[in-house]
Amino acid sequence: QVQLKESGPGLVQPSQTLSLTCTVSGFSLTSYHVSWVRQPPGKGLEWMGVIWTGGSTAYNSLLKSRLSISRDISKSQVFLKMNSLQTEDTATYYCARDNNWGMDAWGQGASVTVSS
Amino acid sequence: NIVMTQSPKSISISVGDRVTMNCKASQSVYNNLAWYQQKPGQSPKLLIYYASNRYNGVPDRFTGSGYGTDFTLTINSVQAEDAAFYYCQRIYNSPNTFGAGTKLELK
Repeated sequence: QVQLKESGPGLVQPSQTLSLTCTVSGFSLTSYHVSWVRQPPGKGLEWMGVIWTGGSTAYNSLLKSRLSISRDISKSQVFLKMNSLQTEDTATYYCARDNNWGMDAWGQGASVTVSS
Repeated sequence: NIVMTQSPKSISISVGDRVTMNCKASQSVYNNLAWYQQKPGQSPKLLIYYASNRYNGVPDRFTGSGYGTDFTLTINSVQAEDAAFYYCQRIYNSPNTFGAGTKLELK
């Protein structure tokens, strides 16, 4: 059974760094890409970036300077780090299995609030 | 970067009606397009990939079409459980940009 689960702090202070973990099961990170997508409250989906099966990454150009995606294959975990957080980064953050032809499995999402 | 524009922003129709929503890419994405459904409080779900291929378990009332820059998602005989937001996404080549979404409401 394919599963993804995001974990991390629900509250981050402005200017600080967000660290999220996506723990996957039922598939290998060397066989499927994993993407991160976020959704501000009441708004649409925003693709943030992807880590491909080979370990290379691609990022949304609007976030590239602040964003880093990495992984630990042995732990079946993908990591998102984004620095210099502002209130507009308040959102639900999803990780999703990416087949190249679509994101066919999603985590439940992690709600992150940026506030002092 | 390619921009994905969805229209209309919202639609209100009755159960049993047919609905069509559109997604336009600012430049050709060939058939590299996916459609997702998202209900309130839930994660998105993949409906259609490569523009016209229905994902596993998706009812056949959902049909995707189009190529290049213009794409359509059609739902025949809409059911109450189809009330949701629908998003298109450029796939295969990054950035995998999403459209802003179309809200489907039932009268």
